[in-house]
Amino acid sequence: DGGITQSPKYLFRKEGQNVTLSCEQNLNHDAMYWYRQDPGQGLRLIYYSQIVNDFQKGDIAEGYSVSREKKESFPLTVTSAQKNPTAFYLCASSMGNQETQYFGPGTRLLVL
Amino acid sequence: EDKVVQSPLSLVVHEGDTVTLNCSYEVTNFRSLLWYKQEKKAPTFLFMLTSSGIEKKSGRLSSILDKKELFSILNITATQTGDSAVYLCAVWGGTSYGKLTFGQGTILTVHP
Repeated sequence: DGGITQSPKYLFRKEGQNVTLSCEQNLNHDAMYWYRQDPGQGLRLIYYSQIVNDFQKGDIAEGYSVSREKKESFPLTVTSAQKNPTAFYLCASSMGNQETQYFGPGTRLLVL
Repeated sequence: EDKVVQSPLSLVVHEGDTVTLNCSYEVTNFRSLLWYKQEKKAPTFLFMLTSSGIEKKSGRLSSILDKKELFSILNITATQTGDSAVYLCAVWGGTSYGKLTFGQGTILTVHP
């Protein structure tokens, strides 16, 4: 089955802790994206990557970091510098720039 | 700043009703407009619209774009309880990379 998987489904973070959200796709897509969704708001872009070993900041990159060592994988680290990390995080991928984006099931991050 | 505004923010109807969801946008270098349906988890792709006046249809859902007036509508006829979801509108625009800007979503609730 082709698709995008995210893990874990729920993640709890303690104060001062870095946590990493996983995103994997087997669609052979070049581009991958991370979004944050808060209640009553649209999706906001955190980071994106158009090809392996390259990524760019989105609108709200502060307090987050990413890597793109493999085409299939685009993990997101929420660092302790992100002061308000509680949100629903969605990963997406697309064949290329400005193509339709397909989304994973999301990870809900909660702060303890 | 690029902006996508959806209306209404929420809508409650009964099964069998027809609904119209609105999406207006102000983006530089418009390329296309996308509609997604989000039921608790991952947004699922509905339509991509690039040309004015050409209706896209899938079952009871249809959508049309007006590039002169900068808006799109999503129609759902003979609504069912399974249509209850958040409907997201997003627009590709921007400069060199191209950025997908999301609206805040319309929450549709269909009662039996």
